[in-house]
Amino acid sequence: NAGVTQTPKFQVLKTGQSMTLQCAQDMNHNSMYWYRQDPGMGLRLIYYSASEGTTDKGEVPNGYNVSRLNKREFSLRLESAAPSQTSVYFCASSGGSPGNEKLFFGSGTQLSVL
Amino acid sequence: AQSVTQLDSHVSVSEGTPVLLRCNYSSSYSPSLFWYVQHPNKGLQLLLKYTSAATLVKGINGFEAEFKKSETSFHLTKPSAHMSDAAEYFCVVSEGSGYSTLTFGKGTMLLVSP
Repeated sequence: NAGVTQTPKFQVLKTGQSMTLQCAQDMNHNSMYWYRQDPGMGLRLIYYSASEGTTDKGEVPNGYNVSRLNKREFSLRLESAAPSQTSVYFCASSGGSPGNEKLFFGSGTQLSVL
Repeated sequence: AQSVTQLDSHVSVSEGTPVLLRCNYSSSYSPSLFWYVQHPNKGLQLLLKYTSAATLVKGINGFEAEFKKSETSFHLTKPSAHMSDAAEYFCVVSEGSGYSTLTFGKGTMLLVSP
């Protein structure tokens, strides 16, 4: 039972390069999320997907795109990376019985943009 | 609008002594409140959750938190610290349903010395 799996764990990009962060969950959850974590800032929501086929902007969506490929997978794409996107990225999914839903996190992707 | 303030960026305790991590919140509605823990290079894990059922909430690993509406506080406590408790702790508030409306605090790093 892997939970939420993110790849890659580490990535270094040059300014202007593009890349896609992959996320998959095996808990049959409807909702999935992408967060970024910066020092002293807590986590901030980039995009989320309440169900397969839907995506919505979070607090900090600029510079990112997402794809909910199917119920299991939710990818985050940086089309033209900028140094301000240097951060740790977390994917999460939520689900469970009504009134007892929980949020589960992946182990993160550390991204550096030079 | 909701917000959350963690009053200490770092807390240092000795093993076997009590732990107190302080959190104040602001919310226009009856909020849900959470504490999450993040060990180094790991994703966040739910410690406990308050959703108005009981003001004293017990979580995993001996942690508990008390919701005090009059003080708008949700402090996290543990009677006796263990070395394995060393981690970063996040207080989180949500006014809405689901997990797309979470606001994370900036985190408190708990240091435990032998």
